[in-house]
Amino acid sequence: GDSVTQMEGPVTLSEEAFLTINCTYTATGYPSLFWYVQYPGEGLQLLLKATKADDKGSNKGFEATYRKETTSFHLEKGSVQVSDSAVYFCAPYFSGSARQLTFGSGTQLTVLP
Amino acid sequence: EPEVTQTPSHQVTQMGQEVILRCVPISNHLYFYWYRQILGQKVEFLVSFYNNEISEKSEIFDDQFSVERPDGSNFTLKIRSTKLEDSAMYFCASSGVRGGAEQYFGPGTRLTVT
Repeated sequence: GDSVTQMEGPVTLSEEAFLTINCTYTATGYPSLFWYVQYPGEGLQLLLKATKADDKGSNKGFEATYRKETTSFHLEKGSVQVSDSAVYFCAPYFSGSARQLTFGSGTQLTVLP
Repeated sequence: EPEVTQTPSHQVTQMGQEVILRCVPISNHLYFYWYRQILGQKVEFLVSFYNNEISEKSEIFDDQFSVERPDGSNFTLKIRSTKLEDSAMYFCASSGVRGGAEQYFGPGTRLTVT
């Protein structure tokens, strides 16, 4: 069935380090792909999205590319800041039998000054 | 910028009591959702709602749960007889015309069942 696998955390980086959080999915069709971020004590915010193969979503310096061949949507940022400390969720929207956002397990990112 | 709002921000209730969580989706959205997040765990889908009826629901959404859009603006989640394991953060979300479009989440209601 449709599913998502997200890199386990927690991840701790120094400021200005490069960030990658891996996300892969299994789907019978072609899902829309989303990354959501949850800052401490807050709700879920849409970070970026991609709706078809080779699309690149970007926002606030974060990027992710929809890779159909590897069924992946890895989140990257070239230089993280302390303010990026949060939990990041990969969330495909599967359009098959269960039309819903399916959240990955979440990756806790801590950026140290 | 339009946003989804939820009330209350925190609800404490005793086991067996009924609770109603309220949400005001973005005004021109047509699809509405409830999710929950048990502390430290992943976000789980509960139910989606479109055109005044449930579109999809998960296994979690059993007979103890119900949703309603009582007027043109509110979207509610009712738990008839709360259990300890219902303690979680409950998020409401809404999306535009297409069900697969991005969903915008409210800040959540933390439900504590004692």
